[in-house]
Amino acid sequence: AQTVTQSQPEMSVQEAETVTLSCTYDTSESDYYLFWYKQPPSRQMILVIRQEAYKQQNATENRFSVNFQKAAKSFSLKISDSQLGDAAMYFCAYIVANSGYALNFGKGTSLLVTP
Amino acid sequence: DAGVIQSPRHEVTEMGQEVTLRCKPISGHNSLFWYRQTMMRGLELLIYFNNNVPIDDSGMPEDRFSAKMPNASFSTLKIQPSEPRDSAVYFCASSFVSRGAQYFGPGTRLTVL
Repeated sequence: AQTVTQSQPEMSVQEAETVTLSCTYDTSESDYYLFWYKQPPSRQMILVIRQEAYKQQNATENRFSVNFQKAAKSFSLKISDSQLGDAAMYFCAYIVANSGYALNFGKGTSLLVTP
Repeated sequence: DAGVIQSPRHEVTEMGQEVTLRCKPISGHNSLFWYRQTMMRGLELLIYFNNNVPIDDSGMPEDRFSAKMPNASFSTLKIQPSEPRDSAVYFCASSFVSRGAQYFGPGTRLTVL
């Protein structure tokens, strides 16, 4: 079975600080795509960042960056200079390229940002 | 550009009634997905369309659920008859290619009494 594990159900960070959300996944495939989605209280699922497994360089999007460790099957999300608007549920997900269309989601990490 | 559009945003209905959820994908996207989100089961893929053709509906819970995509800009998910256990948030998502990033609509919160 292909699974995504987010071991931190809840995390807390102070405004302007940095926080890292962890994600591990389990697949025997070598070609896949990884994503982090954000779901604020509005319920909207927002794509935060994506990473192609064949790329060694870690993806970055403004204050969001990933630490992709392919051998360890780890895909953590780092949020720098945290803002109150970053408070949300964060989901890690991946798609296996040659079988792939269904996003395999983790159960999510709830991020609280305190002033 | 407009994102994925879903309607209605909220639906409250009584058990046994027919429910139709609607989705307009992002223009130019050729793949469309229906997901359901519940506290117990998280996000589940219900059905996937590619170029308006249903590719995999193995996630559809039972025959009470049906989905159509008559053209590239419109899809429906119908539940008939609805049951309280169908209460959930239903998301529609679209992508440019079947393995690309999926962009989600705002979701429809369905409550079946």
